[in-house]
Amino acid sequence: AQKVTQAQTEISVVEKEDVTLDCVYETRDTTYYLFWYKQPPSGELVFLIRRNSFDEQNEISGRYSWNFQKSTSSFNFTITASQVVDSAVYFCALSEGQAGTALIFGKGTTLSVSS
Amino acid sequence: KAGVTQTPRYLIKTRGQQVTLSCSPISGHRSVSWYQQTPGQGLQFLFEYFSETQRNKGNFPGRFSGRQFSNSRSEMNVSTLELGDSALYLCASSIDSPSGANVLTFGAGSRLTVL
Repeated sequence: AQKVTQAQTEISVVEKEDVTLDCVYETRDTTYYLFWYKQPPSGELVFLIRRNSFDEQNEISGRYSWNFQKSTSSFNFTITASQVVDSAVYFCALSEGQAGTALIFGKGTTLSVSS
Repeated sequence: KAGVTQTPRYLIKTRGQQVTLSCSPISGHRSVSWYQQTPGQGLQFLFEYFSETQRNKGNFPGRFSGRQFSNSRSEMNVSTLELGDSALYLCASSIDSPSGANVLTFGAGSRLTVL
């Protein structure tokens, strides 16, 4: 069965600290996609990144970086030099090969960055 | 470019009533998906519509239904409301791909409270 686990429910950091959000997934498919979305207080989920199961290259985008490891079924997300504006709920999600838009979301990690 | 628009943003209903929520996707996006977000269950996929046809459905009772119009706008309906239907209902649109590679653009949601 497919499943996404975000073990960290809440994380609190002080501005400029680095923070890593963990995501572990389960799937039997060999073709799948992993996503990270951010949900600020306004409620609208905002897309951050998508990776497919055949591309284990890690990625860096500004202060954000992602570490995808199939061997451990993990897709972790790191924010470098966190800012107050990064405060939000972050969701990891899984989509299997032909699942279309039926994403399986983790329960989310609430990140609070204080100044 | 206008985002995904959901109406109403907030509504209060009583048990046994029914409710209709509306979603206007991004122009050019032909796929519309609906998700339910609750504190207990998190984000759960309800259904997806493409070209006025339901293409995928999550594990929800038949009280939850939807439709899509020729202009890609979508509505979802919940009949015989129960207290447990209180949730944030999120609509998302995407260009289209039957694979799981879709990047979803979410609306701000409709927050339903059932009393």
